[in-house]
Amino acid sequence: QVQLVESGGGLVKPGGSLRLSCAASGFTFSDYYMSWIRQAPGKGLEWVSYISSSSSYTNYADSVKGRFTISRDNAKNSLYLQMNSLRAEDTAVYYCARWGIAVAGQTPGAAGWGQGTLVTVSS
Amino acid sequence: DIQMTQSPSSLSASVGDRVTITCQASQDISNYLNWYQQKPGKAPKLLIYDASNLETGVPSRFSGSGSGTDFTFTISSLQPEDIATYYCQQYDNLPPNTFGGGTKVEIK
Repeated sequence: QVQLVESGGGLVKPGGSLRLSCAASGFTFSDYYMSWIRQAPGKGLEWVSYISSSSSYTNYADSVKGRFTISRDNAKNSLYLQMNSLRAEDTAVYYCARWGIAVAGQTPGAAGWGQGTLVTVSS
Repeated sequence: DIQMTQSPSSLSASVGDRVTITCQASQDISNYLNWYQQKPGKAPKLLIYDASNLETGVPSRFSGSGSGTDFTFTISSLQPEDIATYYCQQYDNLPPNTFGGGTKVEIK
């Protein structure tokens, strides 16, 4: 069973930094792309970033490009999101999700989600 | 970027009713569309992938259809446990893998 547990959220001032972590278990982590998806309070879902299984490919939403960096450690079954130059509009619950790729014989899209970690950017 | 327009934004229906949600893509995305369910205070859950395939363990009252730019999600007989917000998401080719705005389903 897919288990994803995020950590690292909290209150940070505008312009500050935060590093989110996601611990994965219940599947072969190194076989899957992984993604970060966020949800501002009372709002819809926004895809933030994803990273390929071997870290060779990453991509970001325009809203976070140049400020956020996704990374992973397959030896530790862990996914990370380094968030710099944080803004009030980055306030959200951040979910990590297992991202399946159809060409790899996986269910495409986000077929497993963590419980989320809340990031609040406020002075 | 591909835009996803989902409608309605909310609906109220009675237990046993048939509920339909639509999602329109701003360009052809073939069948690269998922539907997710998010219950209050919980993480989203994948229900339908590739526009019409039911994820393992999901009740058969949920279904999806469509291809190209127009997609439909249906609950054939609404149950109290189906109270949630439903989102479509496209994953055609390159990111961003945009979500629709969501449809909040309530019981009348």
